[in-house]
Amino acid sequence: DVKVTQSSRYLVKRTGEKVFLECVQDMDHENMFWYRQDPGLGLRLIYFSYDVKMKEKGDIPEGYSVSREKKERFSLILESASTNQTSMYLCASSAANTEAFFGQGTRLTVV
Amino acid sequence: GIQVEQSPPDLILQEGANSTLRCNFSDSVNNLQWFHQNPWGQLINLFYIPSGTKQNGRLSATTVATERYSLLYISSSQTTDSGVYFCAVHRDDKIIFGKGTRLHILP
Repeated sequence: DVKVTQSSRYLVKRTGEKVFLECVQDMDHENMFWYRQDPGLGLRLIYFSYDVKMKEKGDIPEGYSVSREKKERFSLILESASTNQTSMYLCASSAANTEAFFGQGTRLTVV
Repeated sequence: GIQVEQSPPDLILQEGANSTLRCNFSDSVNNLQWFHQNPWGQLINLFYIPSGTKQNGRLSATTVATERYSLLYISSSQTTDSGVYFCAVHRDDKIIFGKGTRLHILP
């Protein structure tokens, strides 16, 4: 079975902190994605990566950065967390143009 | 960019009823998926269906790529079918989601 694992289910951070969300996949997939989900807005793409050290901005990259140093790991970084970044964060992976699989999600609260 | 619209946004049904969820997309796509989000937030893969029809138990899906829509059918609904159903399209290495259909199945 494909497994996509996010490092935390729940996180509480303070405003201004640097926050790292980690995602690991075990299927040697080229593509990895970070989304945030907010009520009424569905899932919005923050960043995606199609290869090691490669990244592309999604629809809402402001306030975020990403890192992909190894194929299996894709990190989302909040440089200086703000309350409007309180959300559910979902990571996914896929081979090129094939079925995508999601992690269990991280509920981040910024206080 | 490509737009993905799902309808209806909300649907309330009695247990045992059938339902049809629709996904329209504004441009050609490489692939299309349907997901069910469980109460804990996990997205469960239902169908990977760039075209044609697939069935899995009480669920089936049809994608007509030339007309840019996909349908998800749920027959004999159960309370465990409740939740949010998402359609997602693949295009240029991106995966774009609709806003979902929230389904409530009443016992």
